[in-house]
Amino acid sequence: EPEVTQTPSHQVTQMGQEVILRCVPISNHLYFYWYRQILGQKVEFLVSFYNNEISEKSEIFDDQFSVERPDGSNFTLKIRSTKLEDSAMYFCASSEQGPSGEQYFGPGTRLTVT
Amino acid sequence: GQQLNQSPQSMFIQEGEDVSMNCTSSSIFNTWLWYKQDPGEGPVLLIALYKAGELTSNGRLTAQFGITRKDSFLNISASIPSDVGIYFCAGNTGANSKLTFGKGITLSVRP
Repeated sequence: EPEVTQTPSHQVTQMGQEVILRCVPISNHLYFYWYRQILGQKVEFLVSFYNNEISEKSEIFDDQFSVERPDGSNFTLKIRSTKLEDSAMYFCASSEQGPSGEQYFGPGTRLTVT
Repeated sequence: GQQLNQSPQSMFIQEGEDVSMNCTSSSIFNTWLWYKQDPGEGPVLLIALYKAGELTSNGRLTAQFGITRKDSFLNISASIPSDVGIYFCAGNTGANSKLTFGKGITLSVRP
């Protein structure tokens, strides 16, 4: 069964460093998303991406964040200058049918900022 | 903003029992989704609901989309140990692409 994959599974970085989190969405899906989950809290929306541009972003997704689909399979989230409060699980998701369709999540990348 | 309310935070049941979880909102949602999350893993989609009043089953799981479009419930029948995990409801208004998640209910199943 097709699934969303994410790498790395765990990333440790120092405050102020740039990180890139990578995702490979399900191959026939056209809508891509990033969410984050701070330990013990609910899942929060960051950004959605369709047709090579951002469809919607949350207040969390400030100028330090960017997304890119560099080729036909990868979808990346970049944090330019990490802060301690960026420590969280970051989940990539994809859907076939668009905003109201079923979103399938990857296993996540645990980002630890020290 | 939009919020989904799930309570209680934790539920403890005996193996073999049925359990029902509710999710409510003050806003109308056009799509309701139920996810299960195991520790350290991503949310796994259990059931998706698209129409008010819709009742959908997936094995031992049954979920309903409330008539008012402001609530949904998930039932698990004949619970087993692997049902342990965090159950999240999530909704989409259709006007935008984001899913709004509830805070989740942690289910424990005693053998």
